[in-house]
Amino acid sequence: AAGVIQSPRHLIKEKRETATLKCYPIPRHDTVYWYQQGPGQDPQFLISFYEKMQSDKGSIPDRFSAQQFSDYHSELNMSSLELGDSALYFCASSQSGRTDTQYFGPGTRLTVL
Amino acid sequence: GESVGLHLPTLSVQEGDNSIINCAYSNSASDYFIWYKQESGKGPQFIIDIRSNMDKRQGQRVTVLLNKTVKHLSLQIAATQPGDSAVYFCAENPLAGGADGLTFGKGTHLIIQP
Repeated sequence: AAGVIQSPRHLIKEKRETATLKCYPIPRHDTVYWYQQGPGQDPQFLISFYEKMQSDKGSIPDRFSAQQFSDYHSELNMSSLELGDSALYFCASSQSGRTDTQYFGPGTRLTVL
Repeated sequence: GESVGLHLPTLSVQEGDNSIINCAYSNSASDYFIWYKQESGKGPQFIIDIRSNMDKRQGQRVTVLLNKTVKHLSLQIAATQPGDSAVYFCAENPLAGGADGLTFGKGTHLIIQP
């Protein structure tokens, strides 16, 4: 079965640079979620989108922004990167009206030097 | 603030034994609970879920129990196998049917001893 696709899988950036992470949800899933997971930590919810509109907002820094496009894929844009942004970033998707289950992608490991 | 937490950071069991992983939650309004399994370097993998109008749900080798009176959730894994070694997270969604983010508890690292 098709799963959530994230790219890139690994990303290395310098402080103050920008990064863009991409997420392609499971086919027919219309809702995407972004989570951040630091080393040894539980995933922290950042933001979600349903039908291209922001749905819920968690602990997303002002330096980060995200959007969902007409084909339902989503991008997380991160600017002025800090060392503390180094983490695993997961995207999850779900299908509204059918199930609440969020299915997670393999993640993007971001390292800020 | 509201949170979902786990009682033990590490649980070690013998292969073939049953294991029980516990979770306490504080948001009594939560409607939907999920257990995820996460292997090192991978994304959380859905195991089983339960809604607040149920107290038990069974899957293949796994059972989730929900006690709303004491706000407690548990995951039972029968006849554990080496492949069950992972970190297990419980998560809650306050409102079923919405596009809300999940609140995760602190993971429990399950170690299967040969």
